[in-house]
Amino acid sequence: DGGITQSPKYLFRKEGQNVTLSCEQNLNHDAMYWYRQDPGQGLRLIYYSQIVNDFQKGDIAEGYSVSREKKESFPLTVTSAQKNPTAFYLCASSNRDVETQYFGPGTRLLVL
Amino acid sequence: GIQVEQSPPDLILQEGANSTLRCNFSDSVNNLQWFHQNPWGQLINLFYIPSGTKQNGRLSATTVATERYSLLYISSSQTTDSGVYFCAVGDTGGFKTIFGAGTRLFVKA
Repeated sequence: DGGITQSPKYLFRKEGQNVTLSCEQNLNHDAMYWYRQDPGQGLRLIYYSQIVNDFQKGDIAEGYSVSREKKESFPLTVTSAQKNPTAFYLCASSNRDVETQYFGPGTRLLVL
Repeated sequence: GIQVEQSPPDLILQEGANSTLRCNFSDSVNNLQWFHQNPWGQLINLFYIPSGTKQNGRLSATTVATERYSLLYISSSQTTDSGVYFCAVGDTGGFKTIFGAGTRLFVKA
Protein backbone atom coordinates (compact mmCIF):
# COMPACT_ATOMS: atom_id res chain seq x y z
CA ASP A 1 0.00 0.00 0.00
CA GLY A 2 1.23 3.50 -0.79
CA GLY A 3 1.24 5.98 2.01
CA ILE A 4 3.07 7.90 4.70
CA THR A 5 4.30 6.35 7.92
CA GLN A 6 5.38 8.17 11.06
CA SER A 7 7.08 6.73 14.09
CA PRO A 8 6.85 6.52 16.94
CA LYS A 9 3.17 7.12 17.66
CA TYR A 10 4.04 8.54 21.11
CA LEU A 11 7.37 9.99 22.20
CA PHE A 12 8.53 11.22 25.57
CA ARG A 13 11.32 13.77 25.90
CA LYS A 14 13.38 14.59 28.95
CA GLU A 15 14.74 18.06 29.69
CA GLY A 16 17.76 18.91 27.54
CA GLN A 17 17.27 15.94 25.23
CA ASN A 18 17.11 15.96 21.43
CA VAL A 19 14.58 13.60 19.88
CA THR A 20 14.03 12.60 16.25
CA LEU A 21 10.67 11.90 14.63
CA SER A 22 10.60 9.65 11.59
CA CYS A 23 8.60 10.23 8.40
CA GLU A 24 8.72 7.91 5.40
CA GLN A 25 6.66 7.95 2.19
CA ASN A 26 6.41 5.53 -0.71
CA LEU A 27 4.24 7.75 -2.90
CA ASN A 28 7.22 8.90 -4.99
CA HIS A 29 6.44 12.50 -4.00
CA ASP A 30 9.07 15.20 -4.42
CA ALA A 31 7.83 17.49 -1.64
CA MET A 32 7.56 16.75 2.07
CA TYR A 33 6.38 18.85 5.02
CA TRP A 34 6.40 18.95 8.82
CA TYR A 35 3.60 20.59 10.79
CA ARG A 36 2.96 21.18 14.47
CA GLN A 37 -0.56 21.13 15.93
CA ASP A 38 -1.32 22.37 19.45
CA PRO A 39 -4.58 21.33 21.19
CA GLY A 40 -7.61 23.00 19.61
CA GLN A 41 -5.47 24.79 17.04
CA GLY A 42 -4.75 24.60 13.34
CA LEU A 43 -1.53 23.30 11.80
CA ARG A 44 1.60 25.42 11.63
CA LEU A 45 4.39 24.74 9.13
CA ILE A 46 7.79 23.92 10.64
CA TYR A 47 9.89 22.96 7.59
CA TYR A 48 9.27 21.88 4.02
CA SER A 49 11.40 20.28 1.33
CA GLN A 50 10.75 20.54 -2.39
CA ILE A 51 13.48 18.14 -3.50
CA VAL A 52 16.22 15.96 -2.04
CA ASN A 53 19.05 17.82 -0.28
CA ASP A 54 17.00 21.03 -0.11
CA PHE A 55 14.64 22.37 2.57
CA GLN A 56 13.21 25.70 3.73
CA LYS A 57 12.03 27.07 7.06
CA GLY A 58 8.36 27.44 7.69
CA ASP A 59 6.72 29.77 10.18
CA ILE A 60 7.97 28.12 13.40
CA ALA A 61 11.37 26.55 12.58
CA GLU A 62 13.21 27.72 15.73
CA GLY A 63 14.26 24.77 17.90
CA TYR A 64 13.80 22.23 15.09
CA SER A 65 16.08 20.76 12.42
CA VAL A 66 15.52 18.50 9.41
CA SER A 67 17.43 16.62 6.73
CA ARG A 68 16.41 15.31 3.31
CA GLU A 69 19.06 12.85 2.18
CA LYS A 70 16.60 10.50 0.47
CA LYS A 71 13.44 11.21 -1.49
CA GLU A 72 11.31 8.98 0.71
CA SER A 73 12.53 10.20 4.11
CA PHE A 74 12.25 13.54 5.97
CA PRO A 75 13.17 13.17 9.67
CA LEU A 76 12.50 16.00 12.14
CA THR A 77 14.72 16.59 15.18
CA VAL A 78 13.25 18.48 18.11
CA THR A 79 16.25 20.03 19.85
CA SER A 80 16.68 21.13 23.44
CA ALA A 81 16.34 24.71 22.19
CA GLN A 82 12.62 24.10 21.63
CA LYS A 83 11.28 25.10 25.05
CA ASN A 84 7.67 24.05 24.53
CA PRO A 85 7.79 20.90 22.38
CA THR A 86 4.63 19.20 23.65
CA ALA A 87 2.39 18.94 20.57
CA PHE A 88 1.06 16.68 17.82
CA TYR A 89 3.49 16.50 14.88
CA LEU A 90 2.24 15.71 11.39
CA CYS A 91 4.23 14.88 8.28
CA ALA A 92 2.85 15.28 4.77
CA SER A 93 3.96 14.84 1.18
CA SER A 94 2.82 16.06 -2.22
CA ASN A 95 3.84 15.98 -5.84
CA ARG A 96 5.76 18.89 -7.29
CA ASP A 97 2.54 20.61 -8.40
CA VAL A 98 1.34 20.65 -4.76
CA GLU A 99 -2.23 19.90 -5.71
CA THR A 100 -2.94 17.58 -2.81
CA GLN A 101 -1.06 16.93 0.43
CA TYR A 102 -1.23 13.48 2.00
CA PHE A 103 -0.70 13.18 5.74
CA GLY A 104 0.78 10.55 8.01
CA PRO A 105 -0.93 9.46 11.26
CA GLY A 106 1.16 11.80 13.43
CA THR A 107 3.44 11.59 16.46
CA ARG A 108 2.41 12.92 19.89
CA LEU A 109 5.42 14.35 21.74
CA LEU A 110 5.23 14.78 25.51
CA VAL A 111 7.78 16.30 27.85
CA LEU A 112 8.57 14.47 31.10
CA GLY B 1 1.73 36.65 5.11
CA ILE B 2 -1.58 35.25 3.97
CA GLN B 3 -4.30 35.09 6.62
CA VAL B 4 -6.91 32.31 6.58
CA GLU B 5 -10.13 32.65 8.55
CA GLN B 6 -12.70 29.89 8.94
CA SER B 7 -16.27 30.16 10.17
CA PRO B 8 -18.08 29.11 12.19
CA PRO B 9 -15.51 27.92 14.74
CA ASP B 10 -17.92 25.34 16.15
CA LEU B 11 -21.02 23.69 14.72
CA ILE B 12 -23.46 21.18 16.18
CA LEU B 13 -25.88 19.45 13.82
CA GLN B 14 -28.61 16.89 14.08
CA GLU B 15 -27.99 13.88 11.86
CA GLY B 16 -29.50 14.50 8.42
CA ALA B 17 -29.04 18.28 8.49
CA ASN B 18 -27.10 20.29 5.90
CA SER B 19 -24.33 22.80 6.62
CA THR B 20 -22.00 25.31 4.97
CA LEU B 21 -18.47 26.00 6.17
CA ARG B 22 -16.64 29.11 5.00
CA CYS B 23 -12.97 29.94 4.41
CA ASN B 24 -11.79 33.50 3.73
CA PHE B 25 -8.22 34.27 2.67
CA SER B 26 -6.45 37.60 2.53
CA ASP B 27 -4.44 37.38 -0.70
CA SER B 28 -4.18 35.55 -4.02
CA VAL B 29 -3.32 31.90 -3.59
CA ASN B 30 -1.95 29.20 -5.85
CA ASN B 31 -3.90 26.37 -4.34
CA LEU B 32 -6.62 25.66 -1.81
CA GLN B 33 -7.39 22.40 -0.07
CA TRP B 34 -10.10 21.23 2.34
CA PHE B 35 -9.23 18.57 4.91
CA HIS B 36 -11.14 16.56 7.51
CA GLN B 37 -9.36 15.61 10.74
CA ASN B 38 -10.98 12.67 12.53
CA PRO B 39 -11.04 12.32 16.34
CA TRP B 40 -7.82 10.26 16.20
CA GLY B 41 -5.92 13.05 14.47
CA GLN B 42 -5.71 11.69 10.93
CA LEU B 43 -6.11 14.31 8.21
CA ILE B 44 -7.81 13.33 4.98
CA ASN B 45 -7.79 15.53 1.92
CA LEU B 46 -11.37 16.25 0.77
CA PHE B 47 -10.84 18.63 -2.13
CA TYR B 48 -8.13 20.41 -4.06
CA ILE B 49 -10.07 23.42 -5.32
CA PRO B 50 -8.19 26.63 -6.20
CA SER B 51 -11.26 27.76 -8.18
CA GLY B 52 -14.62 26.47 -9.37
CA THR B 53 -16.88 23.80 -7.94
CA LYS B 54 -16.36 20.12 -7.18
CA GLN B 55 -18.59 17.43 -5.71
CA ASN B 56 -17.81 14.13 -4.05
CA GLY B 57 -20.85 12.29 -2.75
CA ARG B 58 -22.52 14.32 0.02
CA LEU B 59 -19.71 16.88 0.02
CA SER B 60 -19.18 19.70 -2.41
CA ALA B 61 -16.93 22.74 -2.47
CA THR B 62 -16.85 26.06 -4.28
CA THR B 63 -13.97 28.54 -4.47
CA VAL B 64 -14.40 32.08 -5.78
CA ALA B 65 -10.76 33.10 -6.10
CA THR B 66 -11.50 36.66 -7.23
CA GLU B 67 -13.45 37.26 -4.01
CA ARG B 68 -11.01 35.23 -1.86
CA TYR B 69 -13.34 32.71 -0.28
CA SER B 70 -14.22 29.06 -0.42
CA LEU B 71 -17.26 27.15 0.83
CA LEU B 72 -17.60 23.52 1.86
CA TYR B 73 -21.11 22.06 1.78
CA ILE B 74 -22.07 18.97 3.77
CA SER B 75 -25.48 17.51 2.96
CA SER B 76 -27.43 14.90 4.92
CA SER B 77 -24.80 14.90 7.68
CA GLN B 78 -23.86 11.66 9.43
CA THR B 79 -22.24 11.08 12.81
CA THR B 80 -19.07 10.00 11.00
CA ASP B 81 -18.78 13.54 9.59
CA SER B 82 -17.82 14.75 13.08
CA GLY B 83 -14.32 16.14 13.47
CA VAL B 84 -12.47 19.26 12.43
CA TYR B 85 -12.57 20.70 8.93
CA PHE B 86 -9.56 22.70 7.82
CA CYS B 87 -9.04 25.00 4.89
CA ALA B 88 -5.41 25.36 3.72
CA VAL B 89 -3.98 27.70 1.10
CA GLY B 90 -0.64 27.81 -0.68
CA ASP B 91 1.42 30.94 -1.26
CA THR B 92 2.53 32.01 -4.74
CA GLY B 93 5.20 29.30 -4.78
CA GLY B 94 2.65 26.79 -3.59
CA PHE B 95 4.83 24.88 -1.14
CA LYS B 96 4.36 27.12 1.90
CA THR B 97 0.93 26.11 3.18
CA ILE B 98 -1.14 28.12 5.63
CA PHE B 99 -3.96 26.44 7.56
CA GLY B 100 -7.00 28.08 9.06
CA ALA B 101 -7.96 27.41 12.68
CA GLY B 102 -10.66 24.95 11.59
CA THR B 103 -14.38 24.37 12.10
CA ARG B 104 -15.19 21.79 14.78
CA LEU B 105 -18.28 19.82 13.74
CA PHE B 106 -20.29 17.50 15.97
CA VAL B 107 -23.16 15.57 14.44
CA LYS B 108 -25.69 14.19 16.92
CA ALA B 109 -27.52 10.91 16.28
